[in-house]
Amino acid sequence: GDSVTQMEGPVTLSEEAFLTINCTYTATGYPSLFWYVQYPGEGLQLLLKATKADDKGSNKGFEASYRKETTSFHLEKGSVQVSDSAVYFCALRSKAAGNKLTFGGGTRVLVKP
Amino acid sequence: GAGVSQSPSNKVTEKGKDVELRCDPISGHTALYWYRQRLGQGLEFLIYFQGNSAPDKSGLPSDRFSAERTGESVSTLTIQRTQQEDSAVYLCASSLDVQPQHFGDGTRLSIL
Repeated sequence: GDSVTQMEGPVTLSEEAFLTINCTYTATGYPSLFWYVQYPGEGLQLLLKATKADDKGSNKGFEASYRKETTSFHLEKGSVQVSDSAVYFCALRSKAAGNKLTFGGGTRVLVKP
Repeated sequence: GAGVSQSPSNKVTEKGKDVELRCDPISGHTALYWYRQRLGQGLEFLIYFQGNSAPDKSGLPSDRFSAERTGESVSTLTIQRTQQEDSAVYLCASSLDVQPQHFGDGTRLSIL
C-alpha cells in the first residue's frame, strides 16, 4: 500500500538558516504530493502541492520538487524565521487508493532567534 | 463560516462510554474525510465520503467506529464503548472533488 516516510524531528535551527525536510514515498501509479503545516495551536493547513513529476510546489518561501526517479518530495526553505516553527507533514494522494491522504509522521521544526 | 467546523473542540469521557463527534464541511464540498492523529504521530485515515457513493471505510480500526453523512453536509463520527487507545485528535477535512483538502481544528478526545 501507499506510504510516506519523512525525517524525524525535532529539527532545531537558528533564524536565517537553511531548512530541508526529507520526504520519500511509495505509491501505486503517479500520486499527487503535498506538504501540510500545523502551527502551534492551529489546525492543519496546506502549504504546497505538486501533481505530477518534475512539478515544483512553492509557497511562503518554501519549495518542494516532485522527483519520480527518487520518489521524493523534499521540503526546503532558504532562510527560516521564528514564525516557521511548526510541525510539517508530507502526504500523498493516489487515485488507486481513492482520494484519501496518506501522511508521514510529521517533523517538528523549532526556529530560535 | 468559511472553514471546516468541528465540535466539540475537546471531549473527556470515561472508558466504555459512547461519543459522537461532529463535522460541518465547507459549503459545496462534495468530499468529506475523517482522520485520527495520535499524540506525536501522523494522521491516520479513517473514512471518506464522496457525494452519493458508498463511503470508503477501509481505515476504520474496529467495528466500534462508524460514521454517517447527511447528503453533502454534516457528518458524525461515532465511537462506541470507548477505550483508552481511542484517545487522539480526530480531524475532519473536506474538499471539492479531488481538490486539496481543507482541515478543521479537530476534536481532542481523552478517554479516562
